[in-house]
Parts: sequence; structure tokens; C-alpha cells
Amino acid sequence: QQQVKQSPQSLIVQKGGISIINCAYENTAFDYFPWYQQFPGKGPALLIAIRPDVSEKKEGRFTISFNKSAKQFSLHIMDSQPGDSATYFCAASQRGGNNRKLIWGLGTSLAVNP
Amino acid sequence: GAVVSQHPSRVICKSGTSVKIECRSLDFQATTMFWYRQFPKKSLMLMATSNEGSKATYEQGVEKDKFLINHASLTLSTLTVTSAHPEDSSFYICSAREASGSSYEQYFGPGTRLTVT
Repeated sequence: QQQVKQSPQSLIVQKGGISIINCAYENTAFDYFPWYQQFPGKGPALLIAIRPDVSEKKEGRFTISFNKSAKQFSLHIMDSQPGDSATYFCAASQRGGNNRKLIWGLGTSLAVNP
Repeated sequence: GAVVSQHPSRVICKSGTSVKIECRSLDFQATTMFWYRQFPKKSLMLMATSNEGSKATYEQGVEKDKFLINHASLTLSTLTVTSAHPEDSSFYICSAREASGSSYEQYFGPGTRLTVT
């Protein structure tokens, strides 16, 4: 059972448009929600992360929106650029004896057309 | 800051041999390191979690005698794939979490592409 459900699986956006990727979770004990960006043949890179005490966090062109009651969070990429073409993963972790291991979404392949 | 390196970046080995992959946190101390495996166009699959100075915790279905993990210091963890077979060919990625108790972030290495012939 996928604990973190990510959609869409793939996304095509025109340059300058807004890319939106959504994730939903079931475990209410999750208290940390990061987004990672991965280019082919490279390791994932932390993009932005949020804790459930805030509903939105913005860093440059990247924004996380968090809806605690709906158990959903999303990544918005404003003014999308061809260089943003990559695979994006959402994840979640919780406090406890599991060393804060990350539970991953299945990923979204984003292509930004020039 | 928060740089994690892996060595080698690519390795080709013959079936039946063993391969060691190193993961180093270059500018921070990592109490916890994680080892992942990733198949093409798939998500990351956690193999095991290691804490410095103690035995690794393996995820269900991961053979601990085949994938040996050692976390001997706060900056180095190693994964040894023993008696490698072609089905072990994959992209192996490590990550590290800072020693600070309040740290949540995992920082990832660039990955190691293992090909077993």
C-alpha cells in the first residue's frame, strides 16, 4: 500500500507556465514533508520542505502548499523553465524510532517545453 | 554545505565478485545514513538504515548477508554487495542525516551505477 500517493505521473508544461504536483498521505503521524528534484543519473536533491504547522512555504519559484485537514500537499513551480525538467519526488517522515526514514511518492516526470 | 559523496560513481564487475561502495558526508557529521536502490524510472527503495557504531537495520526483503553495511565513523558508511549477480545491477544511492537532534533533512550522494556482467 502506497503511503504517499503522488500525481500526476508525468507532466508537460510550457516555458513560463506553472507546474503543479500533488501528494496525499494517510499517516497523521507524518510531520515533515520534503520535495526532491532528481536529474537523470544523479542523486535526489532537496528542493524545499514543510512542517505541518504552516500552510505554505515559498523559496524562489518553488512553493509548497500544505492542507493538514485534507492530508495533502503540493509543489508549485512558477515560471517553469526547461532547466526544471526533471523527476520530482514528494516524501514524508515521522518522529520515532525509525530514524526518520523517508516514505516516498512514486515520482513525477516533468518536461518543460521551450 | 551538506555535501555527500559516493565512490565509485560507476563500477562494472563480474558475476560472483564483491563490490564496495563508499558514502561520505564531507562537511557535516552524520549519525544516520541510508542506503537506497533505484530502478530506471522508479522511486527510491530504502534498503537499510545505519547508525554510527551499531548494526544496520534492513528493510523487509533485503538480504543482510548479501548487502553488508558498515557505518564505522560519523562521516563514512560503506555498502558491500557480496557475490554480485546480474540482478543486482542497479543505481545505488546513499543519504545522510546530520548529527543534530533537530535535523530532519536527508542529503543525498550522487549515486553509484553498478553493472554486474
